[in-house]
Amino acid sequence: AQSVSQHNHHVILSEAASLELGCNYSYGGTVNLFWYVQYPGQHLQLLLKYFSGDPLVKGIKGFEAEFIKSKFSFNLRKPSVQWSDTAEYFCAVNARGSQGNLIFGKGTKLSVKP
Amino acid sequence: DTAVSQTPKYLVTQMGNDKSIKCEQNLGHDTMYWYKQDSKKFLKIMFSYNNKELIINETVPNRFSPKSPDKAHLNLHINSLELGDSAVYFCASSQLARTDTQYFGPGTRLTVL
Repeated sequence: AQSVSQHNHHVILSEAASLELGCNYSYGGTVNLFWYVQYPGQHLQLLLKYFSGDPLVKGIKGFEAEFIKSKFSFNLRKPSVQWSDTAEYFCAVNARGSQGNLIFGKGTKLSVKP
Repeated sequence: DTAVSQTPKYLVTQMGNDKSIKCEQNLGHDTMYWYKQDSKKFLKIMFSYNNKELIINETVPNRFSPKSPDKAHLNLHINSLELGDSAVYFCASSQLARTDTQYFGPGTRLTVL
């Protein structure tokens, strides 16, 4: 069965620090990969996605993620975080040929100290 | 302008009651989903409908019944509510069932007392 692992449960950073959130998935076939963000009290918003092509994808608000197929990873990065980035971040995987079943990781809470 | 909307935003009810949550999308998408987010923020798919037909039905108690009157709406009806049903329920939609990005609604926080 497919699964998604997010290794960091809670990350605390100071403003301007660099961010990397880990995401690994288990599935042998071709996948689509997503990062969603949930700001406090709000709904899930798409940060970025990877379907094919350049494994380094850029999303909104200065976020980027790199798909490394050999490591089954899709880590999220941002060079300099801001207080407004405080949120919960979810990695998700959708297997190609599936019926749209999006498998989510358990989320990483990011707290940015001003 | 809201792409995916849900009502109500908050729902507080007693055990044993029956309640419904409504979802509407104005994106013209063919596929709609219901997800449950538990107290630990873990998101899990419950149902998926494509053009009003059920295509995913994960292991969910029979007390939960989705209803899709048309492809823009996917409502969730819950019978005999239990304490464990307390969660945030998110509706989502996508253009295609398989590979497209899913857009989420604002969520409905259900509290069962």
